[in-house]
Amino acid sequence: NAGVTQTPKFRVLKTGQSMTLLCAQDMNHEYMYWYRQDPGMGLRLIHYSVGEGTTAKGEVPDGYNVSRLKKQNFLLGLESAAPSQTSVYFCASSKQGFSTEAFFGQGTRLTVV
Amino acid sequence: AQSVTQLGSHVSVSEGALVLLRCNYSSSVPPYLFWYVQYPNQGLQLLLKYTTGATLVKGINGFEAEFKKSETSFHLTKPSAHMSDAAEYFCAVSDRASSYKLIFGSGTRLLVRP
Repeated sequence: NAGVTQTPKFRVLKTGQSMTLLCAQDMNHEYMYWYRQDPGMGLRLIHYSVGEGTTAKGEVPDGYNVSRLKKQNFLLGLESAAPSQTSVYFCASSKQGFSTEAFFGQGTRLTVV
Repeated sequence: AQSVTQLGSHVSVSEGALVLLRCNYSSSVPPYLFWYVQYPNQGLQLLLKYTTGATLVKGINGFEAEFKKSETSFHLTKPSAHMSDAAEYFCAVSDRASSYKLIFGSGTRLLVRP
């Protein structure tokens, strides 16, 4: 089992460009999450999904969109990248809700110049 | 608003010494509590969690944590540090007030000196 796989692992964007981060899990988990990690701030929840076809906002959703068309995939989109979105992005999944163990991908390091 | 405070952004211990990483949370209802570990250039991995029942929780790699409701704390300990324990550690809390979303602390980087 690969667990949670994120692509790409690194990306540099120019301000105003768009991109999509892909997260795939092979554990048949219902819940999936996107977090961003910034120095000294821990992880902050961007968006999450409680099942195929559903999405919901987390703590810091502005500037991001998500889609969960298939149960195993959770996409994070940046329509018009800004330098403030420079961060490390983590996808995670869990079998049930937030009280169950979350399995994390290895992260995507995004730099917006 | 619910919050998690990890005292000390960096903690340094000698190999073989006691590891103590502090976590305090604010919650007016019984929370779920977690410790995650992040090794360099990797995602987070669950060390241990408290949901209900016994307040002393044992996790992987010899770590344990104790839920103390009166102190709103969930400190992480390990009797004897190993070089491989060097990593960043995150405390997280989830409760009804946050709609059971995970709220993470800012993290503590553990350095183990030979």
